[in-house]
Amino acid sequence: ELKVEQNPLFLSMQEGKNYTIYCNYSTTSDRLYWYRQDPGKSLESLFVLLSNGAVKQEGRLMASLDTKARLSTLHITAAVHDLSATYFCAVVGYGGATNKLIFGTGTLLAVQP
Amino acid sequence: DAGVIQSPRHEVTEMGQEVTLRCKPISGHNSLFWYRQTMMRGLELLIYFNNNVPIDDSGMPEDRFSAKMPNASFSTLKIQPSEPRDSAVYFCASSIWDSRNQPQHFGDGTRLSIL
Repeated sequence: ELKVEQNPLFLSMQEGKNYTIYCNYSTTSDRLYWYRQDPGKSLESLFVLLSNGAVKQEGRLMASLDTKARLSTLHITAAVHDLSATYFCAVVGYGGATNKLIFGTGTLLAVQP
Repeated sequence: DAGVIQSPRHEVTEMGQEVTLRCKPISGHNSLFWYRQTMMRGLELLIYFNNNVPIDDSGMPEDRFSAKMPNASFSTLKIQPSEPRDSAVYFCASSIWDSRNQPQHFGDGTRLSIL
């Protein structure tokens, strides 16, 4: 059974600092997604990572995928308050015609001024 | 383009009542997913459809829950009878089947409170 773990669960950081959120998964995966959720809102897609070594960047966020280690990272550079949200990774199991996403627990990011 | 549309946005009802949640996927998407989000259990996939056919309903918690997709542009999730532990935010998402580089697109959710 595919399991997805994120850490940390909660991250409080100051503006201008850098930090990394980690996403580990338990079995071989076909693809990995990162989503952002603001309080009381829907989930917004951030990145789609499809292959080993994939790296995607958007603004102050950069996501990478290491399929051999079954690990993805979301790196935050020079954090700003607007990045405060909950970040989820989600993984699709390998093989078969499926789009079934298994979500991690989420990381609540609070950027303090 | 319109995104995934869910209704109602909020629902408050008494235990034992029937609850129906509705979803309109993005036009052209042929996969539809129902999720439930709670503080205790996080985001759980309840059921998903491909080309209007249920593919995996292993996440449906019990027989009180049922879902249908009568056509490509409409799906319902029904709870009958409802219980307080069903209180959660229910999200609908859609995507293009087996399109690896496209994410699932989520609706705004229905916040359900069972008293």
